[in-house]
Amino acid sequence: DVKVTQSSRYLVKRTGEKVFLECVQDMDHENMFWYRQDPGLGLRLIYFSYDVKMKEKGDIPEGYSVSREKKERFSLILESASTNQTSMYLCASSSVGGTETQYFGPGTRLLVL
Amino acid sequence: AQKVTQAQTEISVVEKEDVTLDCVYETRDTTYYLFWYKQPPSGELVFLIRRNSFDEQNEISGRYSWNFQKSTSSFNFTITASQVVDSAVYFCAQGGSEKLVFGKGMKLTVNP
Repeated sequence: DVKVTQSSRYLVKRTGEKVFLECVQDMDHENMFWYRQDPGLGLRLIYFSYDVKMKEKGDIPEGYSVSREKKERFSLILESASTNQTSMYLCASSSVGGTETQYFGPGTRLLVL
Repeated sequence: AQKVTQAQTEISVVEKEDVTLDCVYETRDTTYYLFWYKQPPSGELVFLIRRNSFDEQNEISGRYSWNFQKSTSSFNFTITASQVVDSAVYFCAQGGSEKLVFGKGMKLTVNP
């Protein structure tokens, strides 16, 4: 079975803090993705990576950065957290190809105070 | 451009009722894939099904069935004899030459 894990299920941070969200997959997938999910807005793509050290902006990259130093690990970084970044963050991975099934982690609920 | 529309935002049914979740998509791709995911209250999106645009055969898996109609750009999902455990948010998605695009989700509540 595909396994995607995220470092935290719940996080509470203060405005201005630097926040790291980590995602690890064990299926040797080339592609990894970060989404945020907000009520009424569905899933929105923040960043994705199709290879180590490669990254592409998604639909809403502002305020975020990412890092992929190893194939299995994809980190989302909030350089200076703001209250409007309070959300559910979902990581996913897939094998090569934009049409392949994406497998998701359990999500991280982030609250920025 | 790709677009996925789930017109229903929330449905509430009583256990054992059948329920159909609608999904309409737009794409310029000639080859594409359609997906359904389930998100229970725990939060994790669970993959349910992936269909190739060339395969319009309907699919049944236990109480779940999917009706793909290319002529109407629809990929509807029916749960037969719903159960409380079916309560979740369901997402339809479409993947093509660009990226995977999700609908906004439909919250299903099955009451005992």
